[in-house]
Formats: sequence, C-alpha cells, structure tokens
Amino acid sequence: NAGVTQTPKFQVLKTGQSMTLQCAQDMNHEYMSWYRQDPGMGLRLIHYSVGAGITDQGEVPNGYNVSRSTTEDFPLRLLSAAPSQTSVYFCASSYAWKVNSPLHFGNGTRLTVT
Amino acid sequence: AQKITQTQPGMFVQEKEAVTLDCTYDTSDPSYGLFWYKQPSSGEMIFLIYQGSYDQQNATEGRYSLNFQKARKSANLVISASQLGDSAMYFCAMREAYNNNDMRFGAGTRLTVKP
Repeated sequence: NAGVTQTPKFQVLKTGQSMTLQCAQDMNHEYMSWYRQDPGMGLRLIHYSVGAGITDQGEVPNGYNVSRSTTEDFPLRLLSAAPSQTSVYFCASSYAWKVNSPLHFGNGTRLTVT
Repeated sequence: AQKITQTQPGMFVQEKEAVTLDCTYDTSDPSYGLFWYKQPSSGEMIFLIYQGSYDQQNATEGRYSLNFQKARKSANLVISASQLGDSAMYFCAMREAYNNNDMRFGAGTRLTVKP
C-alpha cells in the first residue's frame, strides 16, 4: 500500500498566488487532516475531515480551504498565499476518529512564499 | 493554553545507553490517548508508541517504552540501547475525546546519539 501520498514535495509561490496541495490515502481511513510544521512550534492542525462531505476547522484555519468529496482525497487550498504561510505541510489520516487511533502521515510539502 | 509540553529542546545520549524524553500534558478529559512520533532528518513522521488513559500498564514497542504517570500527567518516552539511527526529532502528542479527538503536538525534542 502507498499509505498517504502528498504532492508536490516542494513549491515556491509568490505572494497572492493560489495553489492546491494534494493528499490521497489508500487505507480507507475515515479521518483525514492537514497540519503545518513551523520551527519550535510542533505541528498545528489546519483543517480536518471525519468523512466524505464533512470538514471542520482546526487550530490555524485562516487562509486555507479544504473539501472532501471522496474518502480517499483531501486537498488543501491556499487562497492567496502570504509569506506567513511558508511552512512544511503534512497530510495525515487515521482509521477512526477516536482517541486510540494513531495518525499516519504523508511525507510533507515544503512551501515557500516570497 | 499549551496542552503538550516538552521541556527538552535538545538531548544527547551515548550510543548503547538509555535515554528518557520528557512529556507532560494538560487535560480534564478522562478519555485520551498519548502518542510519540519520530521525525528523522529526511522529514517523515513515524508513529512509535501509543498509551491510552485507561491502560493499566505502560506501553512498550521493541526498544521504546512509555513511562505513563497519570496523576502527574506525564508520558515520558524511554529509548533503550540507543542507536545512531535514533538521532531525530521526537514529538509527543495527545488526542482528547472532549477536543473533537484532534491530535495536538508538543514542540519536540531533538535527540542526538553520539558514537
């Protein structure tokens, strides 16, 4: 199994541009989420989804949109990129939306906004 | 409020020795799960070990064990017989039923294993 696949691995944007980070999982996981990782801050939750058609905001949702039309895919859209969105982005999924279900992560996307 | 606290930004350990990475957490939820992840320099996040709030025994996975002290709200990771490949960032994380089961992470501890 491929697990969680994220594309692209690297991206450079200019301020004001928009883009979509792709995420797909082939494990039939119910729960999917997006995190950003910044130095000294650990990982912070942007948005999450508990099933197809259901999304909700996490800790740092501003400037990002998500949708979940299928169980497998959970894209993250940057509407108008800002330098503050320079970060490493991780997509993650878990079998269930429960406290005992570990997250499985993609390999990350390193985004630079100039 | 900070939910997960990792007080050691960096740690050093000699190869073949044991090391403990500290993690304290804050919750009033009786139902929660605690997790440790490893992030090598290549960047991927690797799940290591899980401890449930109702588990009576400390979790173990190979050379990893979790020292769970519920009353003190601590969940320290113990790595026995350190190897050079253990050099990485380590993150403590928690999922709480009251908090939508979202997973929240600490800031991480960078472990360096010396030969």
